[in-house]
Amino acid sequence: AQTVTQSQPEMSVQEAETVTLSCTYDTSENNYYLFWYKQPPSRQMILVIRQEAYKQQNATENRFSVNFQKAAKSFSLKISDSQLGDTAMYFCAFMKGGGSEKLVFGKGTKLTVNP
Amino acid sequence: DAGVIQSPRHEVTEMGQEVTLRCKPISGHNSLFWYRQTMMRGLELLIYFNNNVPIDDSGMPEDRFSAKMPNASFSTLKIQPSEPRDSAVYFCASSHRTSSLEQFFGPGTRLTVL
Repeated sequence: AQTVTQSQPEMSVQEAETVTLSCTYDTSENNYYLFWYKQPPSRQMILVIRQEAYKQQNATENRFSVNFQKAAKSFSLKISDSQLGDTAMYFCAFMKGGGSEKLVFGKGTKLTVNP
Repeated sequence: DAGVIQSPRHEVTEMGQEVTLRCKPISGHNSLFWYRQTMMRGLELLIYFNNNVPIDDSGMPEDRFSAKMPNASFSTLKIQPSEPRDSAVYFCASSHRTSSLEQFFGPGTRLTVL
């Protein structure tokens, strides 16, 4: 079974600075997808960024980028120019390839952006 | 689009009562997911459907839980009888399997079983 580990229960960052959230996963699969979801205080889960395991290039979405290290099974999220609206829980998630749509989530990292 | 719609948003009930949570997926999406979120266990997939057919129900905790999807625009998650340990936030999500892997989540139902 796949597992996802987020080793930082809480983090904080000053507005406009950069922060990196860590995620590691365990799988024997070669084809899979990785995701970062954001859950603000409103509770609504929102997809931040997605990475296909077969792609070597790291995914980027505006201020959000990932560092995907397949051999190390590491998938960290970097938030640049942090904004107050980035305050939220961030969840790393794994999905096996080959047709399965089952997401396995980590326990989350609570990020606070301070003014 | 209105997004994924869940009802009720909050439910408080007493132990032993039947609870029914409802979900309307985004129009055109063909996969629907039920998740449960607790402090202890985090976010767990309970069951998911594709084209109204249950595909993976391995996360359903026990026989007290059941889920149905009678048509493409409606699903229910039922707990009977409810227990205090069922207290959690239940999320419904939907996706269009063939075009994207992104799951769109509803606002969740906060269930409290007294």
